[in-house]
Amino acid sequence: QQQVKQSPQSLIVQKGGISIINCAYENTAFDYFPWYQQFPGKGPALLIAIRPDVSEKKEGRFTISFNKSAKQFSLHIMDSQPGDSATYFCAASGSARQLTFGSGTQLTVLP
Amino acid sequence: DAGVTQSPTHLIKTRGQQVTLRCSPKSGHDTVSWYQQALGQGPQFIFQYYEEEERQRGNFPDRFSGHQFPNYSSELNVNALLLGDSALYLCASSLGTGPEAFFGQGTRLTVV
Repeated sequence: QQQVKQSPQSLIVQKGGISIINCAYENTAFDYFPWYQQFPGKGPALLIAIRPDVSEKKEGRFTISFNKSAKQFSLHIMDSQPGDSATYFCAASGSARQLTFGSGTQLTVLP
Repeated sequence: DAGVTQSPTHLIKTRGQQVTLRCSPKSGHDTVSWYQQALGQGPQFIFQYYEEEERQRGNFPDRFSGHQFPNYSSELNVNALLLGDSALYLCASSLGTGPEAFFGQGTRLTVV
């Protein structure tokens, strides 16, 4: 029940395109859903996060869409750039504030 | 404003040895969590320290232990190292029970 399932495992997008990564969770006690970006050899960097009381949050080119009834959330990267090429992790936490991560999506943006 | 800092960045140990990893949290943060990230996988929660006590623990054996100091910095100790302990060990800091967690660059541990 603690698992967070992430798809796709890898994604290739042309420069200027839209990248979409999806996640699903089981535990309804989760109340915080962040996305992290990780470059090789680096730690994960917090990108954007959402609470379940809103259905969408946008920060620059990054948007989280949240569907509470379906227990799903997704990251949309608009106007994808080669510099966005990285591994993206969705995560979730509840009141204990321990993050449960998805398995990651390796995004490649072609120039 | 310094972010989360971890030391060392890389470490090579022999099977059976013990290792200590260190973490200084982001300025103003008082909670430290440790995660293990195996190659190609998402980070797995090890434990969390707040007010110098272990507050939460993930599914890791007792070989993994930790400590938090009065200045909020933290150590992760792993005893009797196994080859399977080879991973990137990440420290994350946060404020109290707040949800935002910021990660350090990690310590790459290789057990040979």
